Amino acid sequence: DAGITQSPRHKVTETGTPVTLRCHQTENHRYMYWYRQDPGHGLRLIHYSYGVKDTDKGEVSDGYSVSRSKTEDFLLTLESATSSQTSVYFCAISESIKGYEQYFGPGTRLTVT
Amino acid sequence: AQSVTQLGSHVSVSEGALVLLRCNYSSSVPPYLFWYVQYPNQGLQLLLKYTSAATLVKGINGFEAEFKKSETSFHLTKPSAHMSDAAEYFCAVQNSGYSTLTFGKGTMLLVSP
Repeated sequence: DAGITQSPRHKVTETGTPVTLRCHQTENHRYMYWYRQDPGHGLRLIHYSYGVKDTDKGEVSDGYSVSRSKTEDFLLTLESATSSQTSVYFCAISESIKGYEQYFGPGTRLTVT
Repeated sequence: AQSVTQLGSHVSVSEGALVLLRCNYSSSVPPYLFWYVQYPNQGLQLLLKYTSAATLVKGINGFEAEFKKSETSFHLTKPSAHMSDAAEYFCAVQNSGYSTLTFGKGTMLLVSP
């Protein structure tokens, strides 16, 4: 299994509070991704990173920001959490792009009340 | 833009029966295609991938998929279902530029004794 951990694994927070999710990898892969998974929507890309300090937006980036100051860590921040951001969040990593698969972490279940 | 359509949000089979999960894609570039499996409360695990080397791709757990360019399809099959195959399955296509994936909405496979 690829060495990917996510923390926390579960979190309950109140509307309007900031939340940061962490993804940590031990594979030294260049590419890292944040997805959210919701019933009926599959996985949707929030943001991704193609190197330290290099990030780009995905399909559902509104309300989210990311940072990557080290190869191994990719942080997802909800500046002011809303109930619509209740979801399961997955981090993924990839060694390269063309034809390369992504490896997924175990997920973080976030509930915003 | 790339897109993926998985026909059927739920598929039910009996143990020992053929499994067929459908995936159709659209892509503006020669596609790289992936099938992932997700067991309850876990992250996604790669089953197999198509990277143009061979049209029939064999994966883990006895699954295989056939790439048909004329039909823009990449259906997943397994000759004989096992109870342990019950899970959600996702098809994905790599986007132009190859940095990201677009996922289908997923198909839940139910296996009855």
